[in-house]
Amino acid sequence: QSVLTQPPSVSGAPGQRVTISCTGTSSNIGAGYDVHWYQQYSTTAPKLLIYGNTNRSSGVPDRFSGSKSGTSASLAITGLQAEDEADYYCQTYDSSLSGFWVFGGGTKLTVL
Amino acid sequence: EVQLVESGGGLVQPGGSLKLSCAASGFVFSGAVMHWVRQAPGKGLEWVGRIRTKANDYTTTYAASLKGRFIISRDDSKSTAYLQMNSLKTEDTAVYYCTRLYCTRTSCYSPWGQGTLVTVSS
Repeated sequence: QSVLTQPPSVSGAPGQRVTISCTGTSSNIGAGYDVHWYQQYSTTAPKLLIYGNTNRSSGVPDRFSGSKSGTSASLAITGLQAEDEADYYCQTYDSSLSGFWVFGGGTKLTVL
Repeated sequence: EVQLVESGGGLVQPGGSLKLSCAASGFVFSGAVMHWVRQAPGKGLEWVGRIRTKANDYTTTYAASLKGRFIISRDDSKSTAYLQMNSLKTEDTAVYYCTRLYCTRTSCYSPWGQGTLVTVSS
């Protein structure tokens, strides 16, 4: 299982707001490391969506926002659109023996 | 344009070996820390390992779960990173991506390759 915990799935109707949580520990998110979020459409490579906890990558709509507090981080998407249906992964660094980069298990967003 | 192109994937028997390549272009490869990430069919992203630059003695770090079976190397003269995979198991079946994450004063970027599929099966 993944070092970072994400809900396997979330869903929302067009126009609604959804949040995806990413829970870590004191050796990763809680240690102060930046959290990054990736968006992945099936069969394509992941795309950096949010970097440094709160910063949107170039071209990412301001409907997407990131936050971090303690040992958790969150990705919020407002004004849901059909094109937002994808998998989302959080990623950070870990100072334990797990490795250097760690990912969340991924969350499948379904737009109803 | 920054580009990463993986190659070398294919079908290999359990216990076998395979070497993947990641050809880079569009940036100064010798100054880049390169990572390998894999994704098993229908599963999430799993970090495999990374290789630092010459300035950091080409230091490598790996996911603990790999237990020393994988080796990452690089050839800066060819702008290429490699992933040598040994003692392959069926659970190593995955798409393997190379990537990097770097930040300038104003933004961060993370280009990924298209991935190469490795299938471990008898």
